[in-house]
This record gives sequence, C-alpha cells and structure tokens, in this order.
Amino acid sequence: AQSVTQLDSQVPVFEEAPVELRCNYSSSVSVYLFWYVQYPNQGLQLLLKYLSGSTLVKGINGFEAEFNKSQTSFHLRKPSVHISDTAEYFCAVSDVRGSEKLVFGKGTKLTVNP
Amino acid sequence: GAGVSQSPSNKVTEKGKDVELRCDPISGHTALYWYRQSLGQGLEFLIYFQGNSAPDKSGLPSDRFSAERTGGSVSTLTIQRTQQEDSAVYLCASSLEAEYFGPGTRLTVL
Repeated sequence: AQSVTQLDSQVPVFEEAPVELRCNYSSSVSVYLFWYVQYPNQGLQLLLKYLSGSTLVKGINGFEAEFNKSQTSFHLRKPSVHISDTAEYFCAVSDVRGSEKLVFGKGTKLTVNP
Repeated sequence: GAGVSQSPSNKVTEKGKDVELRCDPISGHTALYWYRQSLGQGLEFLIYFQGNSAPDKSGLPSDRFSAERTGGSVSTLTIQRTQQEDSAVYLCASSLEAEYFGPGTRLTVL
C-alpha cells in the first residue's frame, strides 16, 4: 500500500516569490508520481507527472518537480508565482504494477498575495 | 478535444433515496476511475474499470455503492439508500498514462 504526506496544509506567499510545495510518499513498490491542481469550484487538473526517465519534470504554468528516490520525495516548485496560482495542490502516487489508482495527499492550499 | 464529462453537476437528495451519477470518459481511454472528495476524508479511490477485466471495487465504502460501465465507455455510479455521510463531490477520471478528471458531481444528502 502507498501513502502520501503533504507536509504543509497551507502556504501563503507574495506574488513573484518562489514557492516549494513538499510531498513525501511511502511505498514498498515502484510508483508513478503526479501533481494535480484544483482551482476554486473546479475539478482536478494534471500539472505534471513522473513515469520514468529524467527525475526533473516540467509541467504546465511554469511548475516543475523533482523525483528523489532516496528521500522518497516529489516536491513541486515554481520560481515566481502569480495571483492566478492560488489554488489547492494535490500530490498523488500510483503503483506501477497495479491498477494505477491514485493515492492522494491531503492537499496544500497555496495562497498568493499581492 | 472533449474532456471527461459528468452529470448532474449538482444533486440534492433526501436521506434514504437512491441516486445515479453519470460519467462520460475521454474517447479512447480504456481505464475509468471513480473517486470521492470530502472535507473530512480528502480524495478517496472508489472503483476502477479497465477494458473487459473485472473492476477493482476495493474502495467502495459499503454495499450501498455500486458502479457499472457499459460498452467500455459510459459509467454510472449508484448509491442506494443515501446517508448524510455520502455527501461529497464524486469525481470521475479516465486514463491514458495519467488520469484526467471530470468536473465532478456535488452530492448533498439532506
């Protein structure tokens, strides 16, 4: 079984500042890793995914994440945030050999202030 | 192209009634998932369909919940004898290397 821990439930930042949203996972098998974003009153949108290959993954809206197998982490970063990045961000994992169902973290609410 | 669609977008029902939630996946996606999002529990997996294989029902919270997928496309999630704790947003996703989610159905059980 897998589990995902998002260490920060809320992250307030100022516009144009860098941000890092932390995600750690636990699994006894190899996993795929994902970040999803949920804007207010909307569904989940895929930001980026790690399936294999390069551990640095670039996604939409200027976000990137780095897979660190030894630290079982997949932190999300953006060098300069905008007001429009205000949303809830979910980290998720799936078993590469299973049904690929997602196990989600509890989410991190990012608030970008002017 | 068209994404995952779900209907209805909102459903208000009385305790004890049955409800049906519909999902239309992205064309060509063979895998289909149902999840539930609630304040207390976060995002929880409910059920997974892949082609003609038997569905993975391991996330269904009780036998009041069931789902079917007809013709490998449209799926219906049915909740019988709804309870107040069933109130949540029910999300459907279809998959090709990653899961793409619909907008959800917000279910409120009074």
